[in-house]
Formats: sequence, structure tokens, C-alpha cells
Amino acid sequence: NAGVTQTPKFQVLKTGQSMTLQCAQDMNHEYMSWYRQDPGMGLRLIHYSVGAGITDQGEVPNGYNVSRSTTEDFPLRLLSAAPSQTSVYFCASTPGRGSADTQYFGPGTRLTVL
Amino acid sequence: RKEVEQDPGPFNVPEGATVAFNCTYSNSASQSFFWYRQDCRKEPKLLMSVYSSGNEDGRFTAQLNRASQYISLLIRDSKLSDSATYLCVVGYNFNKFYFGSGTKLNVKP
Repeated sequence: NAGVTQTPKFQVLKTGQSMTLQCAQDMNHEYMSWYRQDPGMGLRLIHYSVGAGITDQGEVPNGYNVSRSTTEDFPLRLLSAAPSQTSVYFCASTPGRGSADTQYFGPGTRLTVL
Repeated sequence: RKEVEQDPGPFNVPEGATVAFNCTYSNSASQSFFWYRQDCRKEPKLLMSVYSSGNEDGRFTAQLNRASQYISLLIRDSKLSDSATYLCVVGYNFNKFYFGSGTKLNVKP
């Protein structure tokens, strides 16, 4: 299994540009999440999904959209990039069997918005 | 108020030392508790889950105090390879997880 994969690893955008960060998992996990991590801070939940076709907002959803058309994929869209969205983005998946589930993280996407 | 609070450190300790981290959480309805380890510029990886009865994994011991809403991690006989940031994580509703900002540990020769 590849686990959780994310592309791209690095990205530089100009203010106002849009882009999609890709996330895929091959473990047949039900739950997937997107987080951002800023310097000196913990991870903050952006959006999450409990299954194909179902998504919900986390702590910091503004400026981001998600969709979950398949179990495997959970892309994160930046509609109009802003410098405040410069961050490291992590995608994670969880089996969904219960509250003690472990999260499995992708390697992250490092995004800079100029 | 943050959902999960941790002392950011850094904790600078010599090899072989015992070091303890604490973390507090604000929501009494929290259901699951974890410690993750994060190396510089890498993704977090699970160190251990935390249970009310306490649990131990080699040199690592985790404790949960639901009444006081805090979680602890004890590392005995610190190794250089233990140098990392330790993230306290609290889960709700099977899928929503809140992370502390992390405690940085530096183990020195």
C-alpha cells in the first residue's frame, strides 16, 4: 500500500490564483481530513469527510472547498489564494471503525502564496 | 480558548534523562486521546494512544486524567533520536481531531 499520498509536494502561487491540492489513500478508509500547519502551531482542521459524498467544515474552512466523489480521493481547492494561506497542508485518513482510530498522514504540501 | 493546550518548550535534556509533558483539553465530551510525534518538516506519526487506565510502550508512558482534563507523556532514558516535537491530540465524534501546538524536545549528548 502507498498509504496516503499528496501532490504536489511544493507549490508557489500568486495572490488570486486558484489551485487544487490532491490527496489519495489506498487503504479503503472511510474518514479523510485536511489540516494546515503554520509555524509554531499545531495542525488545524480545515474540512473533513466521513465517506463518499459527505463533507463538513472544520475549524478554519474559509477560502477552501472540498468534495469526496470516491472513497480514495479528497481534493482541497483554494478558490482565490491569499498570502494568509501560506502554510503546510496535511491530508489524513482514518479507518472509521471507532473513536480510537489512528490517523494516517500524507507527507504534506508546502504552499507559498506571494 | 484553545481546545488543546501544551507547553511549547523547548525542553532541553541530556541523554538518559526522564522528561514529562502535559497537555490540557477543554471539552469534557472528548472521546479519544493520542500523542503524535513530528520531526522537522515531516508529517505527524502516531506515538501512542492514551487510555484512562494508562498505557506504556517501552520507554514511553501515557496517562489520561478525565476529571482534570489533562494528558501526560513520560519519556524515560531519553535518546538523541527522541528529539522531535510531541503533539497532543484529542478526538470527538470519531473523526474530528484537535491538535495542541506541540512541545519541542531536544535531547543533547
